[in-house]
Order: sequence, then structure tokens, then C-alpha cells
Amino acid sequence: QAVLTQPSSLSASPGASASLTCTLRSGINLGTYRIYWFQQKPGSPPQFLLRYKSDSDKQQGSGVPSRFSGSKDASANAGILLISGLQSEDEADYYCMIWHSSASVFGGGTKLTVL
Amino acid sequence: EVQLVESGGGLVQPGGSLRLSCAASGFTVSSNYMSWVRQAPGKGLEWVSVIYSGGSPYYADSVKGRFTISRDNSKNTLYLQMNSLRAEDTAVYYCASANFDYWGQGTLVTVSS
Repeated sequence: QAVLTQPSSLSASPGASASLTCTLRSGINLGTYRIYWFQQKPGSPPQFLLRYKSDSDKQQGSGVPSRFSGSKDASANAGILLISGLQSEDEADYYCMIWHSSASVFGGGTKLTVL
Repeated sequence: EVQLVESGGGLVQPGGSLRLSCAASGFTVSSNYMSWVRQAPGKGLEWVSVIYSGGSPYYADSVKGRFTISRDNSKNTLYLQMNSLRAEDTAVYYCASANFDYWGQGTLVTVSS
């Protein structure tokens, strides 16, 4: 079982909200990790969006709009990237990441389609 | 302004070697950790290696024993020495600053005969 699991795709309408999940493997304690989120558009490097551990331990990327926010769902052992007020420019691949056992681990990515 | 510029990619035969460079400006590479991340064509991101400010390196299992991360503080440059290259190492290689705040544009490594 992968350390981080993301749905491969998600579709949402302009103006709506999209909730992207990053589920940690069973046995990995969500509460101890900072979840990093990245956006990648075709032909471009990934861009850091934010990292979230708790409401008192979070950081927004430089220039990243506040409509991108992070949270956690302890019941699902998952980190969440919430994008509100979806715009066409938000269509991209989104990756989550954690530091686990001295190594960085990325989720498989979610392709977000805005239509 | 922070900038990361990778170089050194190219076509190499299986079993061959390449050294990637990542020239940094706007910050000091030795002040915090630096990472290499790769992305195979059409695939997701895969972490490759990190070097901490104290110099300690860590590697993904897939490259351990074949790749070596290092830095030259005088040149403010990060390196990735890649030996015994395999077809599955074909990817765009990115360097990233601490907390992955900043990324380079990437350099393509193709391993093929």
C-alpha cells in the first residue's frame, strides 16, 4: 500500500469548491505530519502551494491566493487541499507530500478538471 | 529573487554516468536542505535525494548506491552525480529549495541505447 494515496482525477465547475484528499497509509499518524501541496501545469515545474500540520502550524506559498487552504480529516487519516471559487486556471495536477523516515514521499497526484 | 537553474541533462547509454548541476541565486544552498525530485514522462513526482545543511545526504531506495548528492558552497551550486544509469532513470530532474518553496525548470535525462 502506498504511503500517500490521492484520487487520480476530480472534476468540478467554475465557481464551485474542490476538496482534494491525500490519504496516509494505515498506521501512519496524520497528526505528526506536515502535508505539503503542489500544483503543476503542463510543461511547468511544480509550484509550492501550502503546507499544513495544524491551524497553528501552516504556511501559504508566496503569492498563493487564500482560496487555496489546507486542513486534515483525522477520521479519514487524510490531508485536504480545499480550493474555493474554482477558476479555469486552477485546472492542473496536484500533488501532496510528506517527510517520512528521512525521505520525502509524494502522492500519485490528482488531475483537477474545471468544466 | 530566488532562482534555481539546472543543467547537465542529456542522452546517455544504460550503465553510463551524468552529473547534474543546480545553480542557485538569491539564497545560500548551504543554509538549509536542498532536494532533487524527478518526473518520468507522463508520470508523477518522485523524490530522489536530499542534502541537509550539515551535509547529511539521504536517498530514495531506487537510486541508493548509484546517485550521490553534493554541493559546492563557493559556487552556491547543488549537484547530483548519477552512475550506473538505467532506462527507468529517464525523467526530468528538478532541484528544489528547502520546504520545496522554489523549483528549477528541470533538466531532462534520457537513458537509452
